[in-house]
Amino acid sequence: AQSVTQPDIHITVSEGASLELRCNYSYGATPYLFWYVQSPGQGLQLLLKYFSGDTLVQGIKGFEAEFKRSQSSFNLRKPSVHWSDAAEYFCAVGSKAAGNKLTFGGGTRVLVKP
Amino acid sequence: EPEVTQTPSHQVTQMGQEVILRCVPISNHLYFYWYRQILGQKVEFLVSFYNNEISEKSEIFDDQFSVERPDGSNFTLKIRSTKLEDSAMYFCATRQGVNSYNSPLHFGNGTRLTVT
Repeated sequence: AQSVTQPDIHITVSEGASLELRCNYSYGATPYLFWYVQSPGQGLQLLLKYFSGDTLVQGIKGFEAEFKRSQSSFNLRKPSVHWSDAAEYFCAVGSKAAGNKLTFGGGTRVLVKP
Repeated sequence: EPEVTQTPSHQVTQMGQEVILRCVPISNHLYFYWYRQILGQKVEFLVSFYNNEISEKSEIFDDQFSVERPDGSNFTLKIRSTKLEDSAMYFCATRQGVNSYNSPLHFGNGTRLTVT
């Protein structure tokens, strides 16, 4: 069975500082990995995805994530956060075998200090 | 960019009442999903739907729940007799078709269901 762990429930970061959100997954085969962002009162917006190929993937809003098979991780990074990046971030894993049904992590809420 | 549209944005209902949550998928998408997020908890898979039938459902999706695509455009989730624990944000998601296993899900903004 698929599972996703986001170890950090809350992260507070200063505007302009770098951000890294951790994601660890458990799945026997090659997973499809996603990061979604949820702003207050909004739905889930796809930031980026990994299916195969280059393990460093670029997404929208200046985010990137790196797939590390040896560590079963897919951490999300942004070099310099903006106040508008305050939101909840969800890592998710899917697979062809699972019909692209996604399993989500518990989310990490990011607060941005001025 | 095309969007998944959900209505209503907020639904308040009394315990035991039936509710219908509606979703308009992106026009060329063929796979449809419902997820829910109880306040403070993970986003959970409920059901997937393809070719006018359920592809997979979770153990949460019991006999109180049903889905259909009545008119070829709307995709609905019906809860026959709501319980307090059905209070949650319900997300519709869709993705492109047949051999696009690696196409991402596109989510709507959700319907917040409050059962009193």
